[in-house]
Amino acid sequence: DAGVTQSPTHLIKTRGQQVTLRCSPKSGHDTVSWYQQALGQGPQFIFQYYEEEERQRGNFPDRFSGHQFPNYSSELNVNALLLGDSALYLCASSFSEYGYTFGSGTRLTVV
Amino acid sequence: KQEVTQIPAALSVPEGENLVLNCSFTDSAIYNLQWFRQDPGKGLTSLLLIQSSQREQTSGRLNASLDKSSGRSTLYIAASQPGDSATYLCAVHTGANSKLTFGKGITLSVRP
Repeated sequence: DAGVTQSPTHLIKTRGQQVTLRCSPKSGHDTVSWYQQALGQGPQFIFQYYEEEERQRGNFPDRFSGHQFPNYSSELNVNALLLGDSALYLCASSFSEYGYTFGSGTRLTVV
Repeated sequence: KQEVTQIPAALSVPEGENLVLNCSFTDSAIYNLQWFRQDPGKGLTSLLLIQSSQREQTSGRLNASLDKSSGRSTLYIAASQPGDSATYLCAVHTGANSKLTFGKGITLSVRP
């Protein structure tokens, strides 16, 4: 059973550009959450999608947006990239109270 | 606002030692607590999930306990091995399908 799949694994972008990260949840999971992890820090919650709607949002600017598709997969979009957006972006899927399963992450470097 | 603290930030022990990693949280009204392992530059691997009604969970050499009233959880690792070297993150979940709030993690190094 495949777990959470994220793509791409690594990405280098220039300041001001836009980026799209993708996530396929674990089979049977209907909720997808995105987290940003800076070096040496714990992951910070960006937002969560359920039934194709954004259900919760963390303290991130509107430059961060997302989408969930009918098959529960999700995208994270970041516009007008800043150097400070360089981080590991983690996708997590869940179903009810059974805990979260995380993907391997996408390492985004903004230059 | 829920805050999760993990102290110390780093720990180095000799192989074979039993060790305890601590996690504290400020709001005891949690839904569950999850311990994760993270290897350098990699994603998170779930180790143990403790529901709020449970006191502890065990998996192999790992045992996690939860004391909601005092806002604490511990991860006990028995007979540590060099392969246990990683960062261990504690995260609390304040409601069904709510966000996880993480500590900064404890980076463990087990010396051969």
